[in-house]
Amino acid sequence: NAGVMQNPRHLVRRRGQEARLRCSPMKGHSHVYWYRQLPEEGLKFMVYLQKENIIDESGMPKERFSAEFPKEGPSILRIQQVVRGDSAAYFCASSPQSQADFLHFGNGTRLTVT
Amino acid sequence: SQQGEEDPQALSIQEGENATMNCSYKTSINNLQWYRQNSGRGLVHLILIRSNEREKHSGRLRVTLDTSKKSSSLLITASRAADTASYFCATVATDSWGKLQFGAGTQVVVTP
Repeated sequence: NAGVMQNPRHLVRRRGQEARLRCSPMKGHSHVYWYRQLPEEGLKFMVYLQKENIIDESGMPKERFSAEFPKEGPSILRIQQVVRGDSAAYFCASSPQSQADFLHFGNGTRLTVT
Repeated sequence: SQQGEEDPQALSIQEGENATMNCSYKTSINNLQWYRQNSGRGLVHLILIRSNEREKHSGRLRVTLDTSKKSSSLLITASRAADTASYFCATVATDSWGKLQFGAGTQVVVTP
């Protein structure tokens, strides 16, 4: 039973390029969460999605960032026109229902903007 | 501002010793969770304590929760080198499922 799968593990982008981060939740999980972790800090909530719906995007910057979780396929976190400050580890987590006790996290995608 | 604040920021102990770390938070919570993160990896859930619980045990882990002081502690007994990791507390507010509020973490190094 595979856990939460994120790819790529490492992503290097130049300023102004687009970054696409993918997340496949655990089998049977229909709730996906994205978190961002800056160096030496804890994780910060970005967005909560169910299939085809954004439930809570209160932690996501209003510009350049978007997320989706289509009916088929992985969840995608998209960052347009990346800047150096976007360099961070982006973690995806999933749960089987909305009021899950805890989340299952992937190993993250480490984005470096040069 | 961060909901959870861990203390200390870093802890270095020898194998066999106990490791204690604390977490304080600001708002009312439904539950508080502790996660572990090995370098370069994702978070692994360790233990959850609900707001109506005061103490919980899981193997070598012991968690306490004091809602009047808005604080929690995690005790790892008889530590092992494999316990070397960062430990994070995360709170879940009522009606905010999945929206975990993490602290900055405590880095624990256990030397053989």
